[in-house]
Amino acid sequence: GENVEQHPSTLSVQEGDSAVIKCTYSDSASNYFPWYKQELGKRPQLIIDIRSNVGEKKDQRIAVTLNKTAKHFSLHITETQPEDSAVYFCAASIPGNQFYFGTGTSLTVIP
Amino acid sequence: DGGITQSPKYLFRKEGQNVTLSCEQNLNHDAMYWYRQDPGQGLRLIYYSQIVNDFQKGDIAEGYSVSREKKESFPLTVTSAQKNPTAFYLCASRLRDEQFFGPGTRLTVL
Repeated sequence: GENVEQHPSTLSVQEGDSAVIKCTYSDSASNYFPWYKQELGKRPQLIIDIRSNVGEKKDQRIAVTLNKTAKHFSLHITETQPEDSAVYFCAASIPGNQFYFGTGTSLTVIP
Repeated sequence: DGGITQSPKYLFRKEGQNVTLSCEQNLNHDAMYWYRQDPGQGLRLIYYSQIVNDFQKGDIAEGYSVSREKKESFPLTVTSAQKNPTAFYLCASRLRDEQFFGPGTRLTVL
């Protein structure tokens, strides 16, 4: 089955700096790659996603890049703010099948 | 995700008891999922259902059971066979690619 690895497990950045979180996947059949933000005790919330026919997608301060050949995708957050502090999860999905999640990255933005 | 509800929010169970966690959605989604989340860890799939009256085991199905008698409901039973049930349980539903999560149930075994 699919295996998703996520790095780093923890990340601290100064407010205003950029943060990058990377994930790799193993199954070339995966074609949908969402990123979720989870605040303490809350549900994961979808923040951005990308499909395999696209190499990059941007939404204001958040962007995701996908390299299908290397089977990795990354989340980029620019101009970080304290409210960006949370746990971020990547995932990979095969059509009609389950989601496979990374183990999460705890991001702390230091004011 | 506002159309997915889970109850109760907090649940306490004595060892040896079965408990059932509720998950309801009014989004008309066919697929529904149950995940378990332990502190500092990712989401692990317990069971999922693509259609009414059908469901499949996930990676950690042992000690759990589900039913899918109605499209909008996917209850999860944590049985006494589950040795370490204390965790945060998340239900989700899916429309095409996107997955939407419920607010979660925190289960604690006393």
